[in-house]
Amino acid sequence: AQKITQTQPGMFVQEKEAVTLDCTYDTSDQSYGLFWYKQPSSGEMIFLIYQGSYDEQNATEGRYSLNFQKARKSANLVISASQLGDSAMYFCAMRALNSGGYQKVTFGTGTKLQVIP
Amino acid sequence: EAEVAQSPRYKITEKSQAVAFWCDPISGHATLYWYRQILGQGPELLVQFQDESVVDDSQLPKDRFSAERLKGVDSTLKIQPAELGDSAMYLCASSKHPTKYEQYFGPGTRLTVT
Repeated sequence: AQKITQTQPGMFVQEKEAVTLDCTYDTSDQSYGLFWYKQPSSGEMIFLIYQGSYDEQNATEGRYSLNFQKARKSANLVISASQLGDSAMYFCAMRALNSGGYQKVTFGTGTKLQVIP
Repeated sequence: EAEVAQSPRYKITEKSQAVAFWCDPISGHATLYWYRQILGQGPELLVQFQDESVVDDSQLPKDRFSAERLKGVDSTLKIQPAELGDSAMYLCASSKHPTKYEQYFGPGTRLTVT
């Protein structure tokens, strides 16, 4: 079974500073993927970044980068140059293929990020 | 840009009543997911469809929840009877292929059971 752990219920960061949101995972699968989603107070889930377990380089998408350390089973999200609009809940998630060949996504409990002006 | 549509956005119902949610995925997306998100937690998969077939409903409380996707396009999730513990956000997502990682989420339906 897959498990995602996010140990930071809440984080504060000063505007324009960088922030790291922690995520550790547990799986016995060799092939899997890790995501980060942003959920503003309005409720929709916004895809940010994806890292496959066999990807050799860390994923980057604009101001978002994923610090993937496979041996430590961690997949931390780094947001550079924080903006007020980054204030939201952030969820780490993992995908794996079930026995039927369909993907199943498991989410962590989230980290609430607040950006301070 | 194509989006996943959900309705209603908000629903208040009394316990023991029936309630239904509707989802229209992005056109051409064969895989549809229903998630439940309790306040303060991450989304939890309730049911997954591939076209009109259910491929995973292991976490669906089948004594009160049902889901259908009759023509493999839009989908309805029903709760009957609703209980206080069903208060949550119900999120629908779709993806083009069952193994593609990109899931596109709708705005969700926030259910309050009184």
